[in-house]
Amino acid sequence: AQKITQTQPGMFVQEKEAVTLDCTYDTSDPSYGLFWYKQPSSGEMIFLIYQGSYDQQNATEGRYSLNFQKARKSANLVISASQLGDSAMYFCAMRDRSNFNKFYFGSGTKLNVKP
Amino acid sequence: DAGVIQSPRHEVTEMGQEVTLRCKPISGHDYLFWYRQTMMRGLELLIYFNNNVPIDDSGMPEDRFSAKMPNASFSTLKIQPSEPRDSAVYFCASSPGLAGGQGYNEQFFGPGTRLTVL
Repeated sequence: AQKITQTQPGMFVQEKEAVTLDCTYDTSDPSYGLFWYKQPSSGEMIFLIYQGSYDQQNATEGRYSLNFQKARKSANLVISASQLGDSAMYFCAMRDRSNFNKFYFGSGTKLNVKP
Repeated sequence: DAGVIQSPRHEVTEMGQEVTLRCKPISGHDYLFWYRQTMMRGLELLIYFNNNVPIDDSGMPEDRFSAKMPNASFSTLKIQPSEPRDSAVYFCASSPGLAGGQGYNEQFFGPGTRLTVL
């Protein structure tokens, strides 16, 4: 079964607008971590934001925030005030203790920011 | 810190040749991961190590692939013999052990090795 599901292969957003990238996850472990990574066209993988399953508040890092809905098992990434440099592939990932702290990645969402 | 170091950055080889990819993780990180990325298959976990011991190699495509971690500062991924379908970007990533309490640490990725098998 898929551990991480990203249902949006590609998305467009107008510059300066906010955009939400969807991610749902599957685990029976009550303790887990959720991550978002950005991969620009240059190819490097850049860590953006982390949410722990026991964290009481949604994580925020600058223009990035994570909309964590535990009961729905969703961990959507919200990018506010989109910039042209946000055009990239975005991956959602999860880590839990059930399989020796393995990382599970989704298939990614390609975001294009239009000027 | 220099981050995760991978070499070579680009490799072009002919079918049937042996290919060795190298990785130096960030000092002090307990976990090391090897990934392969292609347009068709996305990002695939090949194998990962904890304290130099292979934990899960279920993602290794076939016996032509092997990985070693002889010490905490070095790992190799070897393909022998290589085939055109092995062409991909191979990433190495490292991660500290579990964070305090119930927290988890992120992975730090290397720049990747772009492998082309002709």
